[in-house]
Amino acid sequence: SQQGEEDPQALSIQEGENATMNCSYKTSINNLQWYRQNSGRGLVHLILIRSNEREKHSGRLRVTLDTSKKSSSLLITASRAADTASYFCATAATPSGAGSYQLTFGKGTKLSVIP
Amino acid sequence: GAVVSQHPSRVICKSGTSVKIECRSLDFQATTMFWYRQFPKQSLMLMATSNEGSKATYEQGVEKDKFLINHASLTLSTLTVTSAHPEDSSFYICSARRLKGGPRETQYFGPGTRLLVL
Repeated sequence: SQQGEEDPQALSIQEGENATMNCSYKTSINNLQWYRQNSGRGLVHLILIRSNEREKHSGRLRVTLDTSKKSSSLLITASRAADTASYFCATAATPSGAGSYQLTFGKGTKLSVIP
Repeated sequence: GAVVSQHPSRVICKSGTSVKIECRSLDFQATTMFWYRQFPKQSLMLMATSNEGSKATYEQGVEKDKFLINHASLTLSTLTVTSAHPEDSSFYICSARRLKGGPRETQYFGPGTRLLVL
């Protein structure tokens, strides 16, 4: 079953503005990851935040995690047209009896940055 | 480093035929490889997890006899869609987890294979 649910489903902003996407999940996780996917392409790993972390930065990306609310947000600052893509959150958990993490993806947010 | 390739990138086949998709980790050894499918404008759904030298673990609802997975080496996993039907048309994406080096939680994704069954 799907774990992460992104909000909004689609977001359109002007170049230079900030873009915020949210992700909610339902069960306990080891970590949460954000990925980017350009149309018809594979996924690119953006950032990982562990369950004991609250905030993480990477370049123009800022991710927060609130385990009490089971939610995460991805902020892209000073957006560029090249940031246009779909963004997915994925929760990582270890299924019972398994030895490795599995990722469960949300439905994604389609971001359009208008030049 | 950590590049994953898939071949072919796109395939069109007739209904009833079988299609093999390869997933390779080019510059690292992968303990585990994952196969996902993605329908248009939807999320990735995990189909199966495979470890080198052992049988794949399939997710609920995924037919193991239809989607054959072979993980013969630490750098290669194959997915064969047997007796493909139009409803199998989808975007198939593999990912790999490193044996050594890098965060163990990170999966490296291939570029995907678009399958169209006529």
